[in-house]
Amino acid sequence: AQSVTQPDIHITVSEGASLELRCNYSYGATPYLFWYVQSPGQGLQLLLKYFSGDTLVQGIKGFEAEFKRSQSSFNLRKPSVHWSDAAEYFCAVAKTGANNLFFGTGTRLTVIP
Amino acid sequence: EPEVTQTPSHQVTQMGQEVILRCVPISNHLYFYWYRQILGQKVEFLVSFYNNEISEKSEIFDDQFSVERPDGSNFTLKIRSTKLEDSAMYFCAGSGQGAAGEKLFFGSGTQLSVL
Repeated sequence: AQSVTQPDIHITVSEGASLELRCNYSYGATPYLFWYVQSPGQGLQLLLKYFSGDTLVQGIKGFEAEFKRSQSSFNLRKPSVHWSDAAEYFCAVAKTGANNLFFGTGTRLTVIP
Repeated sequence: EPEVTQTPSHQVTQMGQEVILRCVPISNHLYFYWYRQILGQKVEFLVSFYNNEISEKSEIFDDQFSVERPDGSNFTLKIRSTKLEDSAMYFCAGSGQGAAGEKLFFGSGTQLSVL
């Protein structure tokens, strides 16, 4: 069965600093991988997704993620964090062709001035 | 960007009562989903719905749960007899084509509190 692990429950970074949020997945084949963001009082918004091809994917709001099969990881990165990036970030995996997503427990990002 | 609307934003109910959580998906979407998130835990898949029937459901979605799209616009989740452990944030989502490759649009959620 597929699963997702986000080892960091809470991360605090300074505005302008770089960011990396970790995500590890467990799945027998090549999964579909996603990063979602949830701002307070908002729904989940898709940041980016990976299905195949280039292992470095670009998303919205300046985020990118890199799929590393050897490490079963799909870490999210941003070179310079803005205060508006403070939110909860969720990594998710789906079986190839499936309709439902399996989410990690999320990482809460706090941005300090 | 079009939005998925969920009402109410917060619902409080007594244990054993029935609740109906409502969602208005984006009008041209065909696939609909319910997810839930118990405080401090993962967002969990409950059920997917297509062509007026359930296409997939998780083990969480037992006989106490049901979904329907009664009028072609609203998409509802009913819990017949709520339990304390049903307290969670419930998210509705929709997509145009349903495959995992399609972008899911999520609502902002309904916080259900069972007392």
